[in-house]
Amino acid sequence: GQNIDQPTEMTATEGAIVQINCTYQTSGFNGLFWYQQHAGEAPTFLSYNVLDGLEEKGRFSSFLSRSKGYSYLLLKELQMKDSASYLCAVWRGQNFVFGPGTRLSVLP
Amino acid sequence: AAGVIQSPRHLIKEKRETATLKCYPIPRHDTVYWYQQGPGQDPQFLISFYEKMQSDKGSIPDRFSAQQFSDYHSELNMSSLELGDSALYFCASSWGQHNEQFFGPGTRLTVL
Repeated sequence: GQNIDQPTEMTATEGAIVQINCTYQTSGFNGLFWYQQHAGEAPTFLSYNVLDGLEEKGRFSSFLSRSKGYSYLLLKELQMKDSASYLCAVWRGQNFVFGPGTRLSVLP
Repeated sequence: AAGVIQSPRHLIKEKRETATLKCYPIPRHDTVYWYQQGPGQDPQFLISFYEKMQSDKGSIPDRFSAQQFSDYHSELNMSSLELGDSALYFCASSWGQHNEQFFGPGTRLTVL
């Protein structure tokens, strides 16, 4: 959605590490969020970046480079329950814009 | 811990009817957001309220209106419903504007 790009699908193996990238249009940027969403369920907050750098939260880490309009979500020690869509979202002026989401499949 | 409550969870309406969706934020959260998510699509931000005043505005159609009441609950009013309004409507709340949002379970609206 609206100039936010993410890979459509990714596949990884249980126990592995996966990095999901997100690029966005930088105009009006005021913070970037990552959400996890299982099909038919509400998005669940994972991380928030407003300054450059890495934010770590358990098995999940998120990185932001404001000058490059780039973020990634790093998931470590993948579990089967991590199979879901991962949505990058940014505040752009008065609008909160979600990316198209990356559907992650974790295989045994 | 208390979560965001939305009602009803499911709603079926006919074309041109009206619908009202309700959202009860997490206690002490002062900001409420509304989203529309069509099948296979990412959530689209509609509108938000902070301290009972409209805060940010996204792609909310003119047929829709919303408000936040003194107890911080919010209602989304949808008139002249169209088939394309069939979607999952999420409400989210946060403490302060533009902070971490906690989403409710959603209301699934079907327009026939």
